[in-house]
Amino acid sequence: AQKVTQAQTEISVVEKEDVTLDCVYETRDTTYYLFWYKQPPSGELVFLIRRNSFDEQNEISGRYSWNFQKSTSSFNFTITASQVVDSAVYFCALRGQTGANNLFFGTGTRLTVIP
Amino acid sequence: EAGVTQSPTHLIKTRGQQATLRCSPISGHTSVYWYQQALGLGLQFLLWYDEGEERNRGNFPPRFSGRQFPNYSSELNVNALELEDSALYLCASTRRIGGSYNSPLHFGNGTRLTVT
Repeated sequence: AQKVTQAQTEISVVEKEDVTLDCVYETRDTTYYLFWYKQPPSGELVFLIRRNSFDEQNEISGRYSWNFQKSTSSFNFTITASQVVDSAVYFCALRGQTGANNLFFGTGTRLTVIP
Repeated sequence: EAGVTQSPTHLIKTRGQQATLRCSPISGHTSVYWYQQALGLGLQFLLWYDEGEERNRGNFPPRFSGRQFPNYSSELNVNALELEDSALYLCASTRRIGGSYNSPLHFGNGTRLTVT
């Protein structure tokens, strides 16, 4: 079974603070893919990153960075020097090789950046 | 390139009626996914269509159905609407690369369905 847990329902930070959004996943597949999506107030989900299970390299893209650790089944997302425009709901998602290619989403973390 | 487009943006129906939601994928994408996002419940997988066929469905009753047309656009139909069907319905598309569907899903802005 595939499962994604985002334990943090809501987080509030003051602008310019760093913030880490946690994601823990469960899968029995040896090959799988992890994703992060951002859902701003407008509603559409914006793709941020995909990581496959064979690539444990951490990735940095501007103020965003992702820490993938297979040993703890986690794929955490850090925003450095947060900005008000980062306010959104962030979803972590998992796709395994079984399960007919469904993308399983966590329940999301609502991030509010206070100016 | 145009993104995934969904219509209508908002839809208001009464209990027992039927709702039809439409989705046009990104050009070149053959797979369409439907998700329901009810308040506080995250995204729940509804249906997956690829190359005109239903490939998989989530844990929803049969009154949720749909189809994919030859041009890869898709419809989601919800019959006998219930109050708890009120939600944001998101459509996403992707394409197969080398036999794999692991490219990211691209989402539309959604249709907000309100059942009164």
